[in-house]
Amino acid sequence: DIVMTQSPDSLAVSLGERASINCKSSQSILYTSNSKNYLAWYQQKPGQPPKLLVYWASTRESGVPDRFSGSGSGTDFTLTISSLQAEDVAVYYCQQYYFSPLTFGGGTKVEIK
Amino acid sequence: QVQVVESGGGVVQPGGSLRLSCTASGFTFSSYTMHWVRQAPGKGLEWVAFIRYDGSNNNYADSVKGRFTISRDNSKNMLYLQMNSLTTEDTAVYFCAKDAFPGIAAAGAPFDYWGQGTLLTVSS
Repeated sequence: DIVMTQSPDSLAVSLGERASINCKSSQSILYTSNSKNYLAWYQQKPGQPPKLLVYWASTRESGVPDRFSGSGSGTDFTLTISSLQAEDVAVYYCQQYYFSPLTFGGGTKVEIK
Repeated sequence: QVQVVESGGGVVQPGGSLRLSCTASGFTFSSYTMHWVRQAPGKGLEWVAFIRYDGSNNNYADSVKGRFTISRDNSKNMLYLQMNSLTTEDTAVYFCAKDAFPGIAAAGAPFDYWGQGTLLTVSS
């Protein structure tokens, strides 16, 4: 199975500041035939289901604010919130969809400092 | 608009069984592989199972293999999860989720729509 490891477990960032979340996969999730990284990021607010933010490691889902961006390739990935807003308080998960079983990272809780 | 709505959760004794349902609307259900994902109280997300868009293939997490069965009825736009031999470790909110891209046979797509979830509590 592909293990997804997120860091940190939690972080507190001031409003308007940058937040960065890391995700590492235990093996490459870059499919060389199409040069795509099979990595997604989700946001989950309390009492709500997860919401897809980014897929193919860096493609923003329709309607997602451009302060959210994804980067990385192979085994190392980052979700960056360029200017944290109050509504961004949530838990963020990475997920690989390269291989079954599909696996999620443990989550990173983002709070306001 | 796209909607997936889970139902069927409840309280079950250890060793018991339950069937969850997911009603889909707003998209061509028969074109999309569907998934069940669960979240234990205060914990992270755990993928449980998928079923291919035409029902011809499925796969399960090791934690539920041999106990859970995923199925679908494309004529009714319904997804199911039959859960047997339940243990307290199965206590969780169960989400139904849709692949973002049509025609994906197994892995290969993120999940673009999720239901609100249905809570299963396994307790004596």
